[in-house]
Amino acid sequence: GDSVTQMEGPVTLSEEACLTINCTYTATGYPSLFWYVQYPGEGLQLLLKATKADDKGSNKGFEATYRKETTSFHLEKGSVQVSDSAVYFCALNLSGGYNKLIFGAGTRLAVHP
Amino acid sequence: EPEVTQTPSHQVTQMGQEVILRCVPISNHLYFYWYRQILGQKVEFLVSFYNNEISEKSEIFDDQFSVERPDGSNFTLKIRSTKLEDSAMYFCASRQDFYGYTFGSGTRLTVV
Repeated sequence: GDSVTQMEGPVTLSEEACLTINCTYTATGYPSLFWYVQYPGEGLQLLLKATKADDKGSNKGFEATYRKETTSFHLEKGSVQVSDSAVYFCALNLSGGYNKLIFGAGTRLAVHP
Repeated sequence: EPEVTQTPSHQVTQMGQEVILRCVPISNHLYFYWYRQILGQKVEFLVSFYNNEISEKSEIFDDQFSVERPDGSNFTLKIRSTKLEDSAMYFCASRQDFYGYTFGSGTRLTVV
């Protein structure tokens, strides 16, 4: 079935370090791909999205490129800040089926000064 | 910015009791969802709701679960007889267009 696999956390980085969180997917159709972020005590917020192969989503310095050939959508940021500490979820949805989201397990990021 | 509001933020209940989790979706949204996240595990789809009826449900959403939109503004998830394994964070979401999900902050349900 359709699924999302992302790297296990926690990921612990120093401020200004580079971040990569890996995400791969399995889908029968042509999904749209998303990264959601959950800050402590808050709900899930859309961080960025890509709707077709080779699209690059970007927001707040984060980027991810939809790679159909490797079925991947890795999240990257060149220089993380303490305020980026959160849990990051990779997700997909398909064009049918009322567009439910299928999530990965989430990766906790802790950034230290 | 419009928000999806969930109440309560934390609910503790005894096994076998009924609970109702409440959500107020964004007013002009048409599609409504419940997801849950058992501690340390992935966020799982439970049910979607459109045009006053369930449009899709997962295998998790068995006869113990029900959803309702009783008054055009609230969207509730009822668990009829809670089990220990129902302990989780429950997220409500609403959507207007294909991409624009808005999630609530969640209700942490603890069954003791």
